[in-house]
Amino acid sequence: EVKLVESGGGLVQPGRSLRLSCAASGFTFDDYAMHWVRQVPGKGLEWVSGISWNSGSTGYADSVKGRFTISRDNAKNSLYLQMNSLRGEDTALYYCAKDKDYACDYWGQGTLVTVSS
Amino acid sequence: ETVMTQSPATLSVSPGERATLSCRASQSVSSNLAWYQQKPGQAPRLLIYGASTRATDIPARFSGSGSGTEFTLTISSLQSEDFAVYYCQQYNSWPSITFGQGTRLEIK
Repeated sequence: EVKLVESGGGLVQPGRSLRLSCAASGFTFDDYAMHWVRQVPGKGLEWVSGISWNSGSTGYADSVKGRFTISRDNAKNSLYLQMNSLRGEDTALYYCAKDKDYACDYWGQGTLVTVSS
Repeated sequence: ETVMTQSPATLSVSPGERATLSCRASQSVSSNLAWYQQKPGQAPRLLIYGASTRATDIPARFSGSGSGTEFTLTISSLQSEDFAVYYCQQYNSWPSITFGQGTRLEIK
């Protein structure tokens, strides 16, 4: 069974940093690209970042480019999102998602990030 | 950036009837389009990828069509569990992907 479990969310002040983690199991992690997608409660989905299976290719939404960094550790079956210079508009539920033929076929339950003073 | 526009924002349909949801891309995305269903309190669920291929365990009443800039998700006979929010997503510019703003499918 594919399982994705996000962690690392919480309340953080504007301008500070936070690192999200996603623990993957139930599939061969280093065979697949991965993504982070966020959702403000009650609003739509926003893709944040994606990374290829070998970290050779990464992409970011314009809204986070230069502030967020995606990475992965295939030996630990883990995906990460380093979030710096956080803003109020980064407040959202952050999902980790597995890539399948470039779509997202499995999703975690999300970790909530709240940016507020 | 490719902008995805979904219509209508809200669709009211009776159980047993057909629902047709639309998604338009600001530029061609070929067949690199997926559809997702999201219910309250749940993560999104992949329904369709490659514009028309059903994902694993998705019922046959869900079908996708289109290519280029115009896409459609059709639910042939609505069941009670189908009332949810639906999102389209393009991945033509992978790893950069974009979602539509969603269509809320509600019971009429």
